[in-house]
This record gives sequence, C-alpha cells and structure tokens, in this order.
Amino acid sequence: DAGVTQSPTHLIKTRGQQVTLRCSPKSGHDTVSWYQQALGQGPQFIFQYYEEEERQRGNFPDRFSGHQFPNYSSELNVNALLLGDSALYLCASSRASGGANEQYFGPGTRLTVT
Amino acid sequence: GEDVEQSLFLSVREGDSSVINCTYTDSSSTYLYWYKQEPGAGLQLLTYIFSNMDMKQDQRLTVLLNKKDKHLSLRIADTQTGDSAIYFCAEKMGSNYQLIWGAGTKLIIKP
Repeated sequence: DAGVTQSPTHLIKTRGQQVTLRCSPKSGHDTVSWYQQALGQGPQFIFQYYEEEERQRGNFPDRFSGHQFPNYSSELNVNALLLGDSALYLCASSRASGGANEQYFGPGTRLTVT
Repeated sequence: GEDVEQSLFLSVREGDSSVINCTYTDSSSTYLYWYKQEPGAGLQLLTYIFSNMDMKQDQRLTVLLNKKDKHLSLRIADTQTGDSAIYFCAEKMGSNYQLIWGAGTKLIIKP
C-alpha cells in the first residue's frame, strides 16, 4: 500500500518564476492538505482540497493556488516566486470521513528560490 | 488566538524516559497530535488524543492531556538512538480542517 508521494524531491527556481508541485494521496484517502515548512519551524497550513474544491485556506497570498483531480491527487502552484518561498512543501492526505482528521504526510519537496 | 508552544531541545540518556511537553492556547481543540520528523524526511504521525481523554498509551508512547492547563505531553519509555528526531505537537480546533503546529522539540540521545 503506497503512502503519500510527492514530486519532485528537490527544485531550484529563480525569483519571479512559477512552480508546480505534485502530490498523490495514500490509498483510500480523498482529502489533500498542503503545508509550508521553513527551516527550524513547524508546518504552516496553506490550504486543503476535498471533492476538487478548496475547502479551507491559511494565511497565504493568492500567488499560492492549487488543484485536486478526480483521482484525488493534487497540485500546488506558486507564482511570482520570492526568496522567502524557499521551504519544504509538505502534502498530507486524510479521509474526510475520519473524525480524528489523521493526516499522513509525504516526504516533501524542497524548493530553493535564488 | 491560536498558539502551540514547545521547548526547542530535550537531551536524555539512552534507556531513560523522555518527556516532551506542549502547551496550547485554544480551548476549542478537539484533537491533539504528536508527529516525528527525522532529518530530511516528512512527518510521521505517532499518536493522537481526543480532547475528552486524559491519557492514551501505545507501546512505548504515553500521551497525557491536562485540558484545564492546556498542557499535552508525550512520554517515550526506554529511549533509543532511533528516537532521535524532532517531535511536533499539533492541534485541531473544532470543525476547522487545518492543524496548528508547534515549532518542534529536538530530542537528543546521549550514550
């Protein structure tokens, strides 16, 4: 049973560019959340997708957008990259029917903006 | 407001028990979680506790919740070198979908 997978593992981009990160949820999960983790800090919630809709959003600008596909996989897009966007981007999947909201994480994508 | 706080470091001897503490501010927390993050890796869900429980035990892990003081702890019995990692406390509030996270506690094991 595959867990949560993310691609790519690492990415280097230049300021002003755009980036797309991808996530496949754990088998049986229908909900995907995205988090940004800066070095030495806990994750910060970006948004959550369920039934192909953004269900909740954290305090991130509109440069951060996402999408969920019918197979529950998801993409995170970041436009007009800033140096401060350099971080580990984590995808977590869960089941909407699970009351405990147990979120299972992928290994992350390390984004470096130069 | 939402805030989860943890000590940044904890150092214990191999074989001893480790106790990692966490405080939170929002009384509407419904679930509280402990995650483990090893270097260069994602987050591994260790255990969680529902807010109407005081204690939960799972093999070497014991979670204690003091809802009055808004204090959560994770005890790891017989700490091993493989327990070296950063441990994060997180909370889910009410019907909110997001998790609010602490900054993590780095557990250092001394031989």
